[in-house]
Amino acid sequence: EVQLVQSGAEVKKPGESLRISCKGSGYRFTSYWISWVRQMPGKGLEWMGRIDPSDSYTNYSPSFQGHVTISADKSITTAYLQWSSLKASDTAMYYCARPQYGDNAFEIWGQGTMVTVSS
Amino acid sequence: DIQMTQSPSSLSASVGDRVTITCRASQGISNFLAWYQQKPGKVPKLLIYATSTLQSGVPSRFSGSGSGTDFTLTISSLQPEDVATYYCQKYNSAPLTFGGGTKVEIK
Repeated sequence: EVQLVQSGAEVKKPGESLRISCKGSGYRFTSYWISWVRQMPGKGLEWMGRIDPSDSYTNYSPSFQGHVTISADKSITTAYLQWSSLKASDTAMYYCARPQYGDNAFEIWGQGTMVTVSS
Repeated sequence: DIQMTQSPSSLSASVGDRVTITCRASQGISNFLAWYQQKPGKVPKLLIYATSTLQSGVPSRFSGSGSGTDFTLTISSLQPEDVATYYCQKYNSAPLTFGGGTKVEIK
């Protein structure tokens, strides 16, 4: 079964660093980009950026460029989303997603990781 | 960057009604347009890709049309289980922007 399994919920303080993960299984991990999508409480979906796990090439949304880092370790079929200094406004649900074969629409989604940043 | 504008932001319709949601791109995106359904507290689900291709398992009451800059998602006969927020997304090139969403409720 093709799936993306994300790491668990996190509660952090402003200024702390964080890395959340998304593990792919059931398919060739290096054949599909992994995207990250933010959903703030009660708000819509926002595409943050994506990574090609075969060579770690990344694209970022201008809204998120410089605020987060997307990386991947193909040896353990895992993609990451990382912050060096969290803000309260980073409180959101974060999803990873993978396109389907032959098309770039997001067929496979992770279950989501809730990140809460509060002092 | 290309902006995606959905309308309306919300709607209320009766069971059995025909519902239409529109998505407009600020520049042409050919047919690289997808629609997702997100039910409360759930993960988004792909409904339609390449503007009009129904994802496997999606009921045939859902359909998509359009090209270039103007796109439409239609629910031919609204059902109670269709209560959700619907998002369009362009994916011709990065950034893969989502529309703002349309919340569909039952009247």
